[in-house]
Amino acid sequence: QVHLVESGGGVVQPGRSLRLSCAASRSDFRNYAMHWVRQAPGKGLDWVAGISFDGTYEFYAHSVRGRFTISRDNSKSTLYLQMNSLRADDTAVYYCTRNGYYYFDDWGQGTLVAVSS
Amino acid sequence: DIVMTQTPLASPVTLGQPASISCRSSQSLVYSDGNTYLSWLHQRPGQPPRLLIYEISKRFSGVPDRFSGSGAGTDFTLKISRVESEDVGVYYCMQATQFPWTFGQGTKVEIK
Repeated sequence: QVHLVESGGGVVQPGRSLRLSCAASRSDFRNYAMHWVRQAPGKGLDWVAGISFDGTYEFYAHSVRGRFTISRDNSKSTLYLQMNSLRADDTAVYYCTRNGYYYFDDWGQGTLVAVSS
Repeated sequence: DIVMTQTPLASPVTLGQPASISCRSSQSLVYSDGNTYLSWLHQRPGQPPRLLIYEISKRFSGVPDRFSGSGAGTDFTLKISRVESEDVGVYYCMQATQFPWTFGQGTKVEIK
């Protein structure tokens, strides 16, 4: 099983930026598409963005398109989420998750992003 | 966007008894390749979600056989044949047929 470890969360003011990272423990990271899913406090799951195995294709939720950028560095087995123009409603635990084949078969523990003045 | 609607939103169950959760999509989840990318996940309090079922009815590795999935098109069901204490938490259906991928609101399963 791939182990995924997110980092980079914290408290940030509205309008500021933050970059999340997700380190995978196995070298076959490069073979899989990866995604970010978030969960606001006490709420359900919300898909944020996805990227193909080689980084060629990126997909975004309407609510983050134009503000967030997903990327990956396969040489470092790491996934990223650059979040700009953060808003209060972006407050959530952000999970990185592996796309097995149109399903999410492995999840990190999550990193909390709190947007507050 | 495809809207996923789960019922019920809460399900108090007795240990050893069955439980069932329904998930309905606003449009067919049959993909152009003929597959239906509907999965079920379980989330315990304070934990990340974990995959139970994918492609409607395929149990993921290590998932007990008391969990089963069924359905087609727009209507899907997750069944637990005999609920155990470790099954408490929130269950989500998810569609990966069309971007943006979307989740149901979640169904909270608790022991009576």
